Amino acid sequence: NAGVTQTPKFRVLKTGQSMTLLCAQDMNHEYMYWYRQDPGMGLRLIHYSVGEGTTAKGEVPDGYNVSRLKKQNFLLGLESAAPSQTSVYFCASSLNRDGNEQFFGPGTRLTVL
Amino acid sequence: RKEVEQDPGPFNVPEGATVAFNCTYSNSASQSFFWYRQDCRKEPKLLMSVYSSGNEDGRFTAQLNRASQYISLLIRDSKLSDSATYLCVVNLRTGGFKTIFGAGTRLFVKA
Repeated sequence: NAGVTQTPKFRVLKTGQSMTLLCAQDMNHEYMYWYRQDPGMGLRLIHYSVGEGTTAKGEVPDGYNVSRLKKQNFLLGLESAAPSQTSVYFCASSLNRDGNEQFFGPGTRLTVL
Repeated sequence: RKEVEQDPGPFNVPEGATVAFNCTYSNSASQSFFWYRQDCRKEPKLLMSVYSSGNEDGRFTAQLNRASQYISLLIRDSKLSDSATYLCVVNLRTGGFKTIFGAGTRLFVKA
């Protein structure tokens, strides 16, 4: 099992460009999450999904959109990138949300110039 | 005040030392607690859950103090491979369900 995978691993964007980050998991988990991690701060939840076809806002959703068309995939979109979105993005999944372990992907390092 | 606070460190300890980290949380609705480990430029991974009665996993011991709203992690006989950032994680049940990650405590174990 690959666990949780993320593509791409690195990306550099110019302000105003758009991109999509892809997360895939092969553990048949219901819940999936997108976080960003910035220096000196804990992981902050951007959006999450409790199942195929459903999404919900997390702590810092502005400037991002998500889709969960298939259970195993969770996409994070940046429509018009800003320098403030320079960060490391982690995708995670869990069997459910009620105290279960979250399994993380390797992260995507995004720089917006 | 942050909902989950950790001493950022770094803690610099020699091999074989015992080191302890604390984490405080502000919301009494906190339900479950975890310690995750994150190596440099890697993803977080679950180290251990924290149970009310305290629990041990080899050289690692986790404690929960609900009255004072903190959890702790004790590492005995530190190894070079223990060098990492340790993240305190708290799950809240407040209407919905919310997971809060602390910013982490950095540990360097030196030979």
